[in-house]
Amino acid sequence: AQKVTQAQTEISVVEKEDVTLDCVYETRDTTYYLFWYKQPPSGELVFLIRRNSFDEQNEISGRYSWNFQKSTSSFNFTITASQVVDSAVYFCALSDFDTGTASKLTFGTGTRLQVTL
Amino acid sequence: DAGVTQSPTHLIKTRGQHVTLRCSPISGHKSVSWYQQVLGQGPQFIFQYYEKEERGRGNFPDRFSARQFPNYSSELNVNALLLGDSALYLCASSGSGAWVNEQFFGPGTRLTVL
Repeated sequence: AQKVTQAQTEISVVEKEDVTLDCVYETRDTTYYLFWYKQPPSGELVFLIRRNSFDEQNEISGRYSWNFQKSTSSFNFTITASQVVDSAVYFCALSDFDTGTASKLTFGTGTRLQVTL
Repeated sequence: DAGVTQSPTHLIKTRGQHVTLRCSPISGHKSVSWYQQVLGQGPQFIFQYYEKEERGRGNFPDRFSARQFPNYSSELNVNALLLGDSALYLCASSGSGAWVNEQFFGPGTRLTVL
């Protein structure tokens, strides 16, 4: 069975601080996908990134960066120079690798990030 | 292009009633998935439909059912509502090719059962 653990329930930072959200996953599959989603107060899940299990290259997108370490089953997310607009709940998720269609997502319990001035 | 749309936005029902939630995927997407998100938790997978056939089902009772129509829109039905069914119900659609495993979510339907 697949499992995603986000041990940090809530994080509070002051604007411009860097913050890292942790994600640890469990799966018996050798190929899989990892995701990060952002959920603002409005409730809609906003897709941030998808990572294939066979691509361990780290990725940077503006102030966002992701560190994928297959050896430790972790897929951590760092926001550099955080802003108030980054305040939201962030979910890490895992799915099977299916070339035909999307597979179900297994989500963690989320990390609530609060960025204050 | 419009994103995933869901209706209604909010719904209040009483125990024992039945509810139907609707979802329209992104144009061109043939796969629709439903998730239940209880307050303070991550979304839990309920169903996936692809090309109008059920492709997966989560650990939910038979009171939950769904279907997908020829235009790829979908309905989620819940019978004999319980207080514990109060949640945000999210619909996600996904396409094909390079986008096959990227699921795009709608704004959700917030169901309150009294």
